[in-house]
Amino acid sequence: GQQLNQSPQSMFIQEGEDVSMNCTSSSIFNTWLWYKQEPGEGPVLLIALYKAGELTSNGRLTAQFGITRKDSFLNISASIPSDVGIYFCAGQLLNAGNMLTFGGGTRLMVKP
Amino acid sequence: GAVVSQHPSWVICKSGTSVKIECRSLDFQATTMFWYRQFPKQSLMLMATSNEGSKATYEQGVEKDKFLINHASLTLSTLTVTSAHPEDSSFYICSARLAGGPKYEQYFGPGTRLTVT
Repeated sequence: GQQLNQSPQSMFIQEGEDVSMNCTSSSIFNTWLWYKQEPGEGPVLLIALYKAGELTSNGRLTAQFGITRKDSFLNISASIPSDVGIYFCAGQLLNAGNMLTFGGGTRLMVKP
Repeated sequence: GAVVSQHPSWVICKSGTSVKIECRSLDFQATTMFWYRQFPKQSLMLMATSNEGSKATYEQGVEKDKFLINHASLTLSTLTVTSAHPEDSSFYICSARLAGGPKYEQYFGPGTRLTVT
């Protein structure tokens, strides 16, 4: 099936540092979504991107939909301990019933 | 808005028994709901797509006779794990899709942790 390559797999950073993670695919997506999942919980939608080149912010989070529609990145500025969790990108494929394909996740750990 | 609930949040059952998990959209109608399974430290794997009033569409490798899905109303979908075995132990997550216009978003439930002993 379709795959999203998400990197890095994990990050261990100091509080206050900026974070960047990205997803790439060989397929073109019509929508990119970024989710955060905390232990024992379902994913929570952070940012949704609908147009190639779109840059969207949500507080300290910024995400962009790549021009080629095959990639997206998520940046977190000035990280805080509550940013800890697993971040997943997800893409919706054209002509695939708008089902989501998930990346492998980026596990973020923040040291106070 | 866009809240999805799941019940139960966790369940322990004996091997060979069946378990039903409910997924509800609390403040919106969902013509489509999705069921995912997530193993520890892994990503979400789509099991099936559930459309209200019709049969679910299962992903390759998912046994439809083992994972029974019913989507009887616009706010409720259920997943029944029949004759559960220890290898079915996992975190099961549902999502509901807000449809309409060019924007499609899925909102996820909090998940149900199933442990089969």
